[in-house]
Amino acid sequence: QLQLQESGPGLVKPSDTLSLTCSVSGGSIDINGDFWGWVRQSPGKRLEWIGSISYSGRTYYTSSLKSRVTLSLDKSKSQFSLRLTSVTAADTAVYFCAKIIVAASNWFDPWGQGMSVTVSS
Amino acid sequence: EIVLTQSPDTLSLSPGERATLSCRASQGVGSSSLAWYQQKPGQAPRLLIYGTSSRATGIPDRFSGSGSGTDFTLTISRLEPEDFALYYCQYYGTFGQGTKVEIK
Repeated sequence: QLQLQESGPGLVKPSDTLSLTCSVSGGSIDINGDFWGWVRQSPGKRLEWIGSISYSGRTYYTSSLKSRVTLSLDKSKSQFSLRLTSVTAADTAVYFCAKIIVAASNWFDPWGQGMSVTVSS
Repeated sequence: EIVLTQSPDTLSLSPGERATLSCRASQGVGSSSLAWYQQKPGQAPRLLIYGTSSRATGIPDRFSGSGSGTDFTLTISRLEPEDFALYYCQYYGTFGQGTKVEIK
């Protein structure tokens, strides 16, 4: 059974870079056609898609974060990562990683349990 | 950019009743492109429906999805105690604001 687990710092200072890693177990991250993604949920707000990455490393980002976000894939470690630069309080959220069940569809299943990140000095 | 608006914001029903949740897109979308998720407090969302009407793995058949164009519906035929939760619709990178199904 495929399982995903986010990891990273729970507290980040304003203007710093947020880096999160999603570890995948119970399956391969290197399957032709597979996509992986990140979604966040700020307190009291709706879910927000951040970006997706294909097994070959092709990336897709939401327009509002495109200038600050980078996704990457490390097949040797069965991990994919999120990097968000110049964070502000508005980036405080629970960050989820997930597998995309149909290529480029952004239909996410399963999800990691979520990583709560607070941006504060 | 497409905006998804869900209604109602809150649905108060009793176990055994039928729940009908609506998701309206600001412009027409592909008929097989919508997804629905369930989220409980402190948990990650769970995919219920994808491609507008296909149930995800392990989802009971009391959950069904339908719709086309701008109007989509998630129906729970008979509410079980574990179904009281928050529900989101999704079209590619956009999510609705959610509908809370609460016990009446």
